[in-house]
Amino acid sequence: EVQLVESGGGLVQPGRSMKLSCAASGFTFSNYGMAWVRQAPTKGLEWVATISYDGSSTYYRDSVKGRFTISRDNAKSTLYLQMNSLRSEDTATYYCTTPIPTGYFDYWGQGVMVTVSS
Amino acid sequence: DTVLTQSPALAVSPGERVSISCRASEGVNSYMHWYQQKPGQQPKLLIYKASNLASGVPARFSGSGSGTDFTLTIDPVEADDTATYFCQQSWNDPYTFGAGTKLELK
Repeated sequence: EVQLVESGGGLVQPGRSMKLSCAASGFTFSNYGMAWVRQAPTKGLEWVATISYDGSSTYYRDSVKGRFTISRDNAKSTLYLQMNSLRSEDTATYYCTTPIPTGYFDYWGQGVMVTVSS
Repeated sequence: DTVLTQSPALAVSPGERVSISCRASEGVNSYMHWYQQKPGQQPKLLIYKASNLASGVPARFSGSGSGTDFTLTIDPVEADDTATYFCQQSWNDPYTFGAGTKLELK
C-alpha cells in the first residue's frame, strides 16, 4: 500500500524558514517523480513544485521560485520542501503527491499545515 | 495561466444524476483530471485524461469532454458522494486546478 506521510509544519513568522518532509513507502520511491501541492484555508488546490525521479530536474510555480527548494533522498525514500522567506500567502496545507507523466496526481499524503503569521 | 471555471455548488437528491462542469480558458486537449475531496481529507483521484476511471473508483463516476469543456457525471448519486470536486489540467504549464464544486445531498 502506498503511503505518503508529511511532517515539519507549524507556525512560523513571516520572513523565516521551514522545511517539510514526506516519508514514502509501499512503492519504489527512486523510480518516480514527486511533487508538492498546497491548499490555502477554504481555498482551491495549487501546484507548488515537482522533482524528477533522480532529483536532476526541478520545477516551481513562479510565486515560490527563488524561495522554495524541492529535493529528495532516494536512500531514505523521503521528499523535502525547504521554504525560505515565507509570506502570509504561503499559509496552506501542503500535500506530498505522486505526479504521473501525463500530469495528474495519483497518490496524496494526508497533508501538513503551515501557518505564516507574526 | 490556464483558468479552470467550475460552478461553486450543487445540491441533488440521492439516486439522481448530477453533472459537474469545468471550463478551461484555453484548450487542454484531453488532459483534464478530476478529484474528490471530503472535509478534512486529502484529494482523491477519480478520473484521469478526461474519461479514464482511476483504480478502485466506482463506475457511478464518469468523465467526458475535450478541448475546453469537460464534465464529471455521477449516476446515481449516493449520500457518501458529499464532497468538493476539483478539476485539474496538465496540458499547459503551470498545471492548474479549478476552485472546486461543492456537492451537497438534499
